[in-house]
Amino acid sequence: DAGITQSPRYKITETGRQVTLMCHQTWSHSYMFWYRQDLGHGLRLIYYSAAADITDKGEVPDGYVVSRSKTENFPLTLESATRSQTSVYFCASSVAEYEQYFGPGTRLTVT
Amino acid sequence: AQSVTQLDSQVPVFEEAPVELRCNYSSSVSVYLFWYVQYPNQGLQLLLKYLSGSTLVKGINGFEAEFNKSQTSFHLRKPSVHISDTAEYFCAVSEREYGNKLVFGAGTILRVKS
Repeated sequence: DAGITQSPRYKITETGRQVTLMCHQTWSHSYMFWYRQDLGHGLRLIYYSAAADITDKGEVPDGYVVSRSKTENFPLTLESATRSQTSVYFCASSVAEYEQYFGPGTRLTVT
Repeated sequence: AQSVTQLDSQVPVFEEAPVELRCNYSSSVSVYLFWYVQYPNQGLQLLLKYLSGSTLVKGINGFEAEFNKSQTSFHLRKPSVHISDTAEYFCAVSEREYGNKLVFGAGTILRVKS
C-alpha cells in the first residue's frame, strides 16, 4: 500500500530556474492538494484539484502552476523559482469525507 | 473568511501530566474541524475529526477534542502524555459549503519532558 508519495524529497535549485515537484497517490482519491509549510504560518493551500483536468487556486497560488491529466498525479511547477519559495511542500489527497491524507513532503531550497 | 488561531505556539509538559492544546476558529457557516499531528521530518497524520453529531470526539493515541460552537473552539486534550507525543499539532477547519479546502492554524509544538 504505497499511499501518497512525493518526489524529490529534497531539492536545491537556483533563483530563476523552473522546478517541478511530483505527487502520486494510489487510492484513486478525487481531490488532491498542494500546501506549503513555513514557520509561523502552518500550512497554506497553493492549489487544489477536485478531479482530473479540474484545478483551482488556493490561498497562495502566485508563482506556481499545476496540472492534473491523470487522477493519480498532481505535479506542482515553480516556473521561475524565487528565494521566497524556499519551503516545505506537502501534497495531500482526499475523498468526500473531507479527511486529507498527506505525503511525506518535499524540502525545497532556492539559492 | 475562515481563520484558525492556535493560542499557544509551544506547550512544555512533563510526562504523564495532562495537556490541552487550544484552538479557536472563526467562520460564519457550519464547519468541519480537524486535528493533525506532525512528527519531525514527516507528513501530517490525522488525529481526529468533527463532522457532526457528538461534540466530544475521540481520536488515536488517546487524544480527544471537544467542539464548542458557542465559543467557536475545538481544544485538544490528553489525560496523560508520553515522551512519544512530542510533535507539532495543527488544528484545521473547512467550511461545509466549500468542500474540502482546509485552513490550518500556525501549529502548537508539544514538548514532553521526562
